[in-house]
Amino acid sequence: DQQVKQNSPSLSVQEGRISILNCDYTNSMFDYFLWYKKYPAEGPTFLISISSIKDKNEDGRFTVFLNKSAKHLSLHIVPSQPGDSAVYFCAARSYRGGSEKLVFGKGMKLTVNP
Amino acid sequence: ETGVTQSPTHLIKTRGQQVTLRCSSQSGHNTVSWYQQALGQGPQFIFQYYREEENGRGNFPPRFSGLQFPNYSSELNVNALELDDSALYLCASSLTEWETQYFGPGTRLLVL
Repeated sequence: DQQVKQNSPSLSVQEGRISILNCDYTNSMFDYFLWYKKYPAEGPTFLISISSIKDKNEDGRFTVFLNKSAKHLSLHIVPSQPGDSAVYFCAARSYRGGSEKLVFGKGMKLTVNP
Repeated sequence: ETGVTQSPTHLIKTRGQQVTLRCSSQSGHNTVSWYQQALGQGPQFIFQYYREEENGRGNFPPRFSGLQFPNYSSELNVNALELDDSALYLCASSLTEWETQYFGPGTRLLVL
């Protein structure tokens, strides 16, 4: 039973355009969310995070939006660059403990075409 | 460069054997977490260690065990290997259990 879902396995965009990566979650106990980027043969690299007390967090070209009522978050990359081509994982964490520390989605492969 | 290293990079074992995977955390990071990433899936939490004590465990059987040492290194041990244990094993270190986790490059294990 997947608690964090990334329903689209891949996305292809043109350089300079916006990339929007979506993530849905089912566990209302999650109150902190992260995005990781993964290149082949490397481990996931932390990109950006958001606490459930916020609905937006921005860091340069990357913005994460959180809609708690819909249990949905999205990552916007503007403008997209070829170096952004990677697999992106959405992850969630609960401050209330439990045995699941970080719960990841299956990932989405982003391809940015020059 | 996260400073988290793992060894070996690749490993081939046969069913029933035992394996030890190693991780070296960033200096000063007291927490290490281990994840299993099967092909086409996201990383799945195995367990976490904080100051050499297990601090949470995911849905993995007892044949998955770990150790954390005072020098910021840690081990993941898997006994009685099964074919389904074939995966990428990732370790991640953080200052505390609630700080951002930084991942190593992983060890790819193939069980034949």
